[in-house]
Amino acid sequence: GESVGLHLPTLSVQEGDNSIINCAYSNSASDYFIWYKQESGKGPQFIIDIRSNMDKRQGQRVTVLLNKTVKHLSLQIAATQPGDSAVYFCAENEGAAGNKLTFGGGTRVLVKP
Amino acid sequence: GAGVSQSPRYKVAKRGQDVALRCDPISGHVSLFWYQQALGQGPEFLTYFQNEAQLDKSGLPSDRFFAERPEGSVSTLKIQRTQQEDSAVYLCASKVRDLAGELFFGEGSRLTVL
Repeated sequence: GESVGLHLPTLSVQEGDNSIINCAYSNSASDYFIWYKQESGKGPQFIIDIRSNMDKRQGQRVTVLLNKTVKHLSLQIAATQPGDSAVYFCAENEGAAGNKLTFGGGTRVLVKP
Repeated sequence: GAGVSQSPRYKVAKRGQDVALRCDPISGHVSLFWYQQALGQGPEFLTYFQNEAQLDKSGLPSDRFFAERPEGSVSTLKIQRTQQEDSAVYLCASKVRDLAGELFFGEGSRLTVL
């Protein structure tokens, strides 16, 4: 399929190394944040989420950190694998029930074997 | 089906033509969303349904865009008199109910307007 994110910032990482993807969000009233992974020709896939009453949440090989003071979100991927190559988007919710997500611009991750 | 299904996957239209994009959400999912994704950018919200009710259409870029979900399941996004700037991937997503939680996306319909 056609590539997603031809002009996105790119993070090149060696297989087995850790990856850190950063995101600045815009709305200080946002209370729910999500990281999505999007492979070429596919829709975004949920990775991990975090609420504003937390500053860290861990999943399988992924950790999300939230710094509300500076409105910054990061995604850490441990032991990056070739299958992690994709475009990663952060998203923040607008609306009390998370009805409308605002997505960031995305970062392309390329894993080198 | 097991996931959100969208059709057609690819659509080429001449400028001025009308197009209709279909979304089959996950069975039983109450909430349905449409997003527009331009090349190299993140998805942008278009509209949201809870069952058959369209509760938010603030993201629709013009009155040429219209969405419906008449029976609270399948949804159609219609674009009238397409223009080149309408070229994008149109993503449909659904989730179980009207609360924060995992949003499941379809693979999208890529519209190219010539």
